[in-house]
Amino acid sequence: NAGVTQTPKFQVLKTGQSMTLQCAQDMNHEYMSWYRQDPGMGLRLIHYSVGAGITDQGEVPNGYNVSRSTTEDFPLRLLSAAPSQTSVYFCASSSRIYQPQHFGDGTRLSIL
Amino acid sequence: AQKVTQAQTEISVVEKEDVTLDCVYETRDTTYYLFWYKQPPSGELVFLIRRNSFDEQNEISGRYSWNFQKSTSSFNFTITASQVVDSAVYFCALSEARGATNKLIFGTGTLLAVQP
Repeated sequence: NAGVTQTPKFQVLKTGQSMTLQCAQDMNHEYMSWYRQDPGMGLRLIHYSVGAGITDQGEVPNGYNVSRSTTEDFPLRLLSAAPSQTSVYFCASSSRIYQPQHFGDGTRLSIL
Repeated sequence: AQKVTQAQTEISVVEKEDVTLDCVYETRDTTYYLFWYKQPPSGELVFLIRRNSFDEQNEISGRYSWNFQKSTSSFNFTITASQVVDSAVYFCALSEARGATNKLIFGTGTLLAVQP
């Protein structure tokens, strides 16, 4: 039972490059979210999804895109990486609304 | 607007001491949910507890206990007889029922260091 799987675990990008952070869950959860964690700021919501085909913006969505074509997968795309996007990114899922969210192990992303 | 404040940035205690981590929240909703998560040095986020706004009973789980007081908008977390393995960053989080979005608003976290 893998839970929430994020890949890659580490990535270094150059400014202007694009990439996709992968997130997959095998628990058939409807709700999925992406957060970023920065020192002294806790976790902030980037985008979330309440089911396949439905996504919406969170607190800090600029510079990121998401899609939810299947229940299992919720990839996060950086369109043109900027140093301000250097962060640790967490994907989370939950079975029903207001249930505890299960988090992946995170992706540590550095933009040079 | 919803907000979670964890005023204690860092706390250092000696093993076997009791320690309380404070959490104050702001919301205009009458229905909401509060959570505590633990982030050990290995980096993963571990769910500890969920409490809804209609349940003000305190909860105890082993050495952990939580005190929810709506009158002061607080949801404090106490560790009794702390251990080195309790060293971690602890996050308090809020989810409002309005809008049915399942969004979590996190506090900035409290780093707890338990010294042997």
